[in-house]
Amino acid sequence: KAGVTQTPRYLIKTRGQQVTLSCSPISGHRSVSWYQQTPGQGLQFLFEYFSETQRNKGNFPGRFSGRQFSNSRSEMNVSTLELGDSALYLCASSPSTGLDTEAFFGQGTRLTVV
Amino acid sequence: EDQVTQSPEALRLQEGESSSLNCSYTVSGLRGLFWYRQDPGKGPEFLFTLYSAGEEKEKERLKATLTKKESFLHITAPKPEDSATYLCAVPNNAGNMLTFGGGTRLMVKP
Repeated sequence: KAGVTQTPRYLIKTRGQQVTLSCSPISGHRSVSWYQQTPGQGLQFLFEYFSETQRNKGNFPGRFSGRQFSNSRSEMNVSTLELGDSALYLCASSPSTGLDTEAFFGQGTRLTVV
Repeated sequence: EDQVTQSPEALRLQEGESSSLNCSYTVSGLRGLFWYRQDPGKGPEFLFTLYSAGEEKEKERLKATLTKKESFLHITAPKPEDSATYLCAVPNNAGNMLTFGGGTRLMVKP
């Protein structure tokens, strides 16, 4: 059974650009959530989607957005990139209606903003 | 607001030296507590889910336990390959968000 797949694995972008990251959850999983991980702040919640609906959003500026498609694949977009957006972006998928069962993570996308 | 605190931040052990990692949590209603292992540059790897006080789960040299206020990850006779960052997390009441602790970086020397 394939795990959570995130693409691309690595990205280098320039300040002011925008970026789109992709996440394909485990087959049959309908909940997809996104997290930002930095050395100083640890893992911070960005947003969660279930059946194409955003159910929760973390405390991040509006430059961070996402969506989920009918096949449960999800994308997140960051516009007007800042140096502080450099981080490991992680996607997790969960098999049931929510994150109170196991949540499985992808390998992440390492975003570097220069 | 849910809060999760892990201690210690870093732990150095000799191979074979058993120890425990702590995860303290404050939640309005516990809907589960997850443990993960994370290697550098990789995503967290799921280890255990605990749902109620008194519950224990084991996997190889790891055993996770849960009380009403905290969880412990016991590592028995660790090996260098157990070196990693161990994270704990709790879901919110709505089940649509995980709050993570800061992690414990474990280093096991041969």
